[in-house]
Amino acid sequence: AQKITQTQPGMFVQEKEAVTLDCTYDTSDPSYGLFWYKQPSSGEMIFLIYQGSYDQQNATEGRYSLNFQKARKSANLVISASQLGDSAMYFCAMREKTGANSKLTFGKGITLSVRP
Amino acid sequence: DTEVTQTPKHLVMGMTNKKSLKCEQHMGHRAMYWYKQKAKKPPELMFVYSYEKLSINESVPSRFSPECPNSSLLNLHLHALQPEDSALYLCASSQTPTGPLGEQYFGPGTRLTVT
Repeated sequence: AQKITQTQPGMFVQEKEAVTLDCTYDTSDPSYGLFWYKQPSSGEMIFLIYQGSYDQQNATEGRYSLNFQKARKSANLVISASQLGDSAMYFCAMREKTGANSKLTFGKGITLSVRP
Repeated sequence: DTEVTQTPKHLVMGMTNKKSLKCEQHMGHRAMYWYKQKAKKPPELMFVYSYEKLSINESVPSRFSPECPNSSLLNLHLHALQPEDSALYLCASSQTPTGPLGEQYFGPGTRLTVT
């Protein structure tokens, strides 16, 4: 079974509007971290935001916020006031506390295109 | 400073060549990673170094040979590669290798083409 699921096809959003990118996860570990990364066409993976499983509040970083619904096992990324530079591939990832070396598991990614 | 640097940015090599990819970080991170990424796919973990020791090898073919000379440097030695090894190779580092906390910071990657 997939641990991180990103099922949306390519997403489109108008500049200055908000957009939500979906991510659901599967784990039986009570301690885990959820991450979102942005990858523009240049290739670099840019860390955006982190949510810990025990965090009481949703994480926010500037225009990025994470809508964390633990019971539903979802960790959706919300980008407010979209900019043309937000056009990129976005990956949701999870790190579980399993063993001495916990790996980062990535979803398949979502391509976001921002229209002017 | 959250910078991970990688050299070279682009590399074209023949199947009989030997080349190396280099990764460097000065954030005091004690875990470093190599990933391979094909176009439009998520990164695939290849190796993890934890406190300069190889801790995870994801069944990577021996034509890829990692090396961690010190806590700031990570190399990936390439020899007798196949065209299907053409990909973006990403290096990453994180503060510690254990536990769910702590993000991984990625370098800009090396685009490798094997001819």
